[in-house]
Amino acid sequence: QKEVEQNSGPLSVPEGAIASLNCTYSDRVSQSFFWYRQYSGKSPELIMSIYSNGDKEDGRFTAQLNKASQYVSLLIRDSQPSDSATYLCAVLSGGYQKVTFGTGTKLQVIP
Amino acid sequence: DVKVTQSSRYLVKRTGEKVFLECVQDMDHENMFWYRQDPGLGLRLIYFSYDVKMKEKGDIPEGYSVSREKKERFSLILESASTNQTSMYLCASSSMSHRVTTEAFFGQGTRLTVV
Repeated sequence: QKEVEQNSGPLSVPEGAIASLNCTYSDRVSQSFFWYRQYSGKSPELIMSIYSNGDKEDGRFTAQLNKASQYVSLLIRDSQPSDSATYLCAVLSGGYQKVTFGTGTKLQVIP
Repeated sequence: DVKVTQSSRYLVKRTGEKVFLECVQDMDHENMFWYRQDPGLGLRLIYFSYDVKMKEKGDIPEGYSVSREKKERFSLILESASTNQTSMYLCASSSMSHRVTTEAFFGQGTRLTVV
């Protein structure tokens, strides 16, 4: 079982819709969770970090964490074509220093 | 703003060459990381360092070594480059808060081609 799993997509949503990206992880003692956005040919950039169960909102983005079920999700409201990118889920594990990434979900927002 | 700078954007090296990839961060971060990214495999951790002269193996350390002589600089060394090390290499840094790593910030990446 992979440590961090994401559906590779592509996930296609129409402009203005809500995009829902999901991630599951295997290490039960993981404490920190991150969502990164990566445009083609560019390096990942941080969108959100979440550390406790529940929802965390930042503008059009909402991160949701459920430690009991070992999943974390990212919702993007009012999706824009500029949101089209690969979204990487990252989980901190292994002695509080090792960050493991999922393989990413490709999001396509259709105008 | 955090700045993580990698020495080269593109590199072409020959099989068997010793290759140095350099990374510098300007935010006094404790942790530094080297990843490689390949299509379908995502980001895989090669090595990381949580302090000067300290290093830990990641998931795929074979064929690589690292050096951290100063806090701001983390070098990745390919002892004898091989074609299967052709990849995008990404350096990242992060700080510690209450003994827990915070979010990582990435450099622009180095696309290495070994011929």
